[in-house]
Amino acid sequence: GAGVSQSPRYKVAKRGQDVALRCDPISGHVSLFWYQQALGQGPEFLTYFQNEAQLDKSGLPSDRFFAERPEGSVSTLKIQRTQQEDSAVYLCASSFGGLDYGYTFGSGTRLTVV
Amino acid sequence: GENVEQHPSTLSVQEGDSAVIKCTYSDSASNYFPWYKQELGKRPQLIIDIRSNVGEKKDQRIAVTLNKTAKHFSLHITETQPEDSAVYFCAASRAGTASKLTFGTGTRLQVTL
Repeated sequence: GAGVSQSPRYKVAKRGQDVALRCDPISGHVSLFWYQQALGQGPEFLTYFQNEAQLDKSGLPSDRFFAERPEGSVSTLKIQRTQQEDSAVYLCASSFGGLDYGYTFGSGTRLTVV
Repeated sequence: GENVEQHPSTLSVQEGDSAVIKCTYSDSASNYFPWYKQELGKRPQLIIDIRSNVGEKKDQRIAVTLNKTAKHFSLHITETQPEDSAVYFCAASRAGTASKLTFGTGTRLQVTL
């Protein structure tokens, strides 16, 4: 597609529910990143994929967070047993080959845990 | 790890005036410094970036300066317009295939008529 697509655009979850957030990167983009943006803050790195390989997951805040990209294109970020502190905008970005080629961000998924 | 500080958190200028946003970083190995503009509810968009082998870069009304010795970089917007109103984020990274960005906390710029 023309840009990075994320779905759903908004998600309200009850505390304790599991959620799955989807990212469709730009076709052909090798690198895919997930960031978490809390209200009034800058995005914070969660995890990075190169094709289907998850090369860096150092930013995942707990073992409740899990990300996958099984075929090297679409990626899913899953949050188990959601907590109120998980409320944030989750941004996906893709790149042809990393920062040297620039990032394109998606519009994000706003997760609200009630 | 890298730590990026950004000032001011809010900035109000009159249309036509200049705006300056400043950032400092901690990791001397960082060599790539992008600036993103984010309008309310929208995606961050890259507006300009600079690499450590350059001290200044300009693109029309926007310029970025970098002082590697002091580990700080700044965004300059001249002849501000109402459509410049947004939140601006600086970021730092070691450029490469697996590069992750460390962002500042953002500056909310308001351009008044």
